[in-house]
Amino acid sequence: SQTIHQWPATLVQPVGSPLSLECTVEGTSNPNLYWYRQAAGRGLQLLFYSVGIGQISSEVPQNLSASRPQDRQFILSSKKLLLSDSGFYLCAWMRYGQGIYEQYFGPGTRLTVT
Amino acid sequence: KNQVEQSPQSLIILEGKNCTLQCNYTVSPFSNLRWYKQDTGRGPVSLTIMTFSENTKSNGRYTATLDADTKQSSLHITASQLSDSASYICVVSAPGGSYIPTFGRGTSLIVHP
Repeated sequence: SQTIHQWPATLVQPVGSPLSLECTVEGTSNPNLYWYRQAAGRGLQLLFYSVGIGQISSEVPQNLSASRPQDRQFILSSKKLLLSDSGFYLCAWMRYGQGIYEQYFGPGTRLTVT
Repeated sequence: KNQVEQSPQSLIILEGKNCTLQCNYTVSPFSNLRWYKQDTGRGPVSLTIMTFSENTKSNGRYTATLDADTKQSSLHITASQLSDSASYICVVSAPGGSYIPTFGRGTSLIVHP
């Protein structure tokens, strides 16, 4: 079965510090991978998605970046965090089968920028 | 522009009561619609998934309906329990290799004892 991991689970970082969030998927190969951010009481905002190693598409211009160094590894980074970067970050992978796309989400990382 | 609108934004019900959440979408063409449950501080978990040819799908006390003609879906929760308190998110995907689903903002459900 497939499993998706995210770490850390929670993170408190000062403004201006760097960020690195990691997501890994087990039990599948060449998945589409996604990073979403969810502000308190708001819906999910797509940040980045990747259809393969080294292939990153950005949906929202910001001070965040993403990388996919391996097939099942997706990393979200920032060189200098802003207060507005606080939120709940979710990694997801997408499976396609029998005409249906289905996304599976990781447990999330709660980021607080102080 | 593809959009998914959910209503109500929030809902409070008593334990044991039924409730219905609504989802209207403008995504076209349409491939499938999913309902997710998201507990506070957790990732969303899939409840149901329906293609355009399906009108209803159940998962325990959760029953989703789909009217592809009017582009509407509903999620009915029967005999609510305290553990049903969560955000319920409607997500719609287009076919043909579109990798970006469209998310609704969710309905926040609170079940009181």
